[in-house]
Amino acid sequence: DQQVKQNSPSLSVQEGRISILNCDYTNSMFDYFLWYKKYPAEGPTFLISISSIKDKNEDGRFTVFLNKSAKHLSLHIVPSQPGDSAVYFCAASGTYGGSQGNLIFGKGTKLSVKP
Amino acid sequence: SAVISQKPSRDICQRGTSLTIQCQVDSQVTMMFWYRQQPGQSLTLIATANQGSEATYESGFVIDKFPISRPNLTFSTLTVSNMSPEDSSIYLCSTATGTGGLEQYFGPGTRLTVT
Repeated sequence: DQQVKQNSPSLSVQEGRISILNCDYTNSMFDYFLWYKKYPAEGPTFLISISSIKDKNEDGRFTVFLNKSAKHLSLHIVPSQPGDSAVYFCAASGTYGGSQGNLIFGKGTKLSVKP
Repeated sequence: SAVISQKPSRDICQRGTSLTIQCQVDSQVTMMFWYRQQPGQSLTLIATANQGSEATYESGFVIDKFPISRPNLTFSTLTVSNMSPEDSSIYLCSTATGTGGLEQYFGPGTRLTVT
């Protein structure tokens, strides 16, 4: 059973508008969440993260929101640019397992930003 | 963030053979990780490799199938042994260098096709 779910495999947005990518998780022990961006033929690139003690983290055009009660997080990109077109992965980590490296990834959402 | 390179970038191999993937980091790091991304799936952690100790494997992955070496603080190898078509995947190495060690930075990946 998937512990991190990205239910939208793709998203298309007009340049300049907001992109909202969603992620749900099932394990309440997760306490750190990350977003990665992946271009074809490249490895995932770390984008932004948020700890469970916060509900929002902002970095330039990128903002991540965390709703712990709903076990839901979202990544907002404003304004969207054609260079943002990539696959976005949500990942979660918990310190409970003692395995610092065990990031649990969603399947990704392919974002297309149209000029 | 660390710069990570992998060799080879891609390979096509026959079933029953083995392939060793190399991962080089431009700085000394304690922990290195190996992931697999099967077609249409999320990234899955195979094992964690610390220098000077045995790799720690995740459930579903065994040392006989995926032996790992970690001879120093900047280098690691993953071998995919006795390959079958089900091993066709992208294999990625990563390292954790962010705050709390939870942000991981990935290499470009090795695309393996087994025929």
